[in-house]
Amino acid sequence: GQNIDQPTEMTATEGAIVQINCTYQTSGFNGLFWYQQHAGEAPTFLSYNVLDGLEEKGRFSSFLSRSKGYSYLLLKELQMKDSASYLCAVRITDSWGKFQFGAGTQVVVTP
Amino acid sequence: DGGITQSPKYLFRKEGQNVTLSCEQNLNHDAMYWYRQDPGQGLRLIYYSQIVNDFQKGDIAEGYSVSREKKESFPLTVTSAQKNPTAFYLCASSIGGQRDQPQHFGDGTRLSIL
Repeated sequence: GQNIDQPTEMTATEGAIVQINCTYQTSGFNGLFWYQQHAGEAPTFLSYNVLDGLEEKGRFSSFLSRSKGYSYLLLKELQMKDSASYLCAVRITDSWGKFQFGAGTQVVVTP
Repeated sequence: DGGITQSPKYLFRKEGQNVTLSCEQNLNHDAMYWYRQDPGQGLRLIYYSQIVNDFQKGDIAEGYSVSREKKESFPLTVTSAQKNPTAFYLCASSIGGQRDQPQHFGDGTRLSIL
């Protein structure tokens, strides 16, 4: 079976840094994606990793270790608008067809 | 602007009734997907299609049906066999054959039982 684990909720202060971890055990691996989802809205793409290492995109960075089945999303200089759910998703087939999602991590940013 | 359009935004189903959720994309994407999202849970795959006139069951296909007669359209029917249909339904699409391409999502349809 497929298993993707993320913490349920994290709270941080405006201006701080938060790291959201994601561990995965899947039948195949062809890339890991992070999405942001505000309540009642569609998920929006944040970052992609397929090779080990760190990808940086402005205030957001994502890291991948394939040997450990582990990724994290780092949110820096937190803003109130960053309060949202963050979804970790693995593309699990050799082709581009199928994705498996984690349950999401709710980040609450406080003043 | 290109994107994915889901309709309606809210839908109510009576007992024993089939309802169809619409999903249209003008991104020229090959693959399209339907997910169900319940409170506190991640996205669960219902059906996906990589090419016109072909589709595969996802993890929770029972009680649902789809068609892919046109590249742009991937409607989802929630049948009366689906006993717990109340959820947020998301349609997505992605470019085919490029593994670094993410999925793009519609704004969702919230389905409730009357």
